[in-house]
Amino acid sequence: TQLLEQSPQFLSIQEGENLTVYCNSSSVFSSLQWYRQEPGEGPVLLVTVVTGGEVKKLKRLTFQFGDARKDSSLHITAAQPGDTGLYLCAGAQGGSEKLVFGKGTKLTVNP
Amino acid sequence: KAGVTQTPRYLIKTRGQQVTLSCSPISGHRSVSWYQQTPGQGLQFLFEYFSETQRNKGNFPGRFSGRQFSNSRSEMNVSTLELGDSALYLCASSFGPTNTEAFFGQGTRLTVV
Repeated sequence: TQLLEQSPQFLSIQEGENLTVYCNSSSVFSSLQWYRQEPGEGPVLLVTVVTGGEVKKLKRLTFQFGDARKDSSLHITAAQPGDTGLYLCAGAQGGSEKLVFGKGTKLTVNP
Repeated sequence: KAGVTQTPRYLIKTRGQQVTLSCSPISGHRSVSWYQQTPGQGLQFLFEYFSETQRNKGNFPGRFSGRQFSNSRSEMNVSTLELGDSALYLCASSFGPTNTEAFFGQGTRLTVV
């Protein structure tokens, strides 16, 4: 059983479109992180959210942590080919430094 | 400041052999975690070390082991390799036990033939 479910699994869109990817769980997390991974590279940390209802913006990317700290979303506005990659969410549960990862959303932005 | 360094980047081994992978964390970081990434299972947690002590362990067989040295560098070892061990092995470092923000290396791509 996957603790963190990400959807959609694959997403292919045209440059300029908006998109949202989701990260859902039945468990509560003390913090949740989003990473982007490009082929052959390790994941790169984009953002950490820790407070229920928190919204963080990183240029065209908007991250939201659910009020109950069980889910999160990533919204990209006016996607660009450079946004292409595997987006991973990862949750930390209180008292443990073990990060639990979702399987990721593979995003392709076509020019 | 240098990032997380993993060596080697690529490795090809034969079934039954053993392999040792190395990870140098970001300077000042004392926590190192290891993950296995495969297309089917995604990122699976292997183990985490802090101050030379294993703090957490994932659900992997005993063939997978690791250690951390006094300078925070870490190694993981896989003995009696199986075809299913082919994967990207990622190391992540973080500042300490209460900081979960992980900074990943580029990984070691292990292929078992």
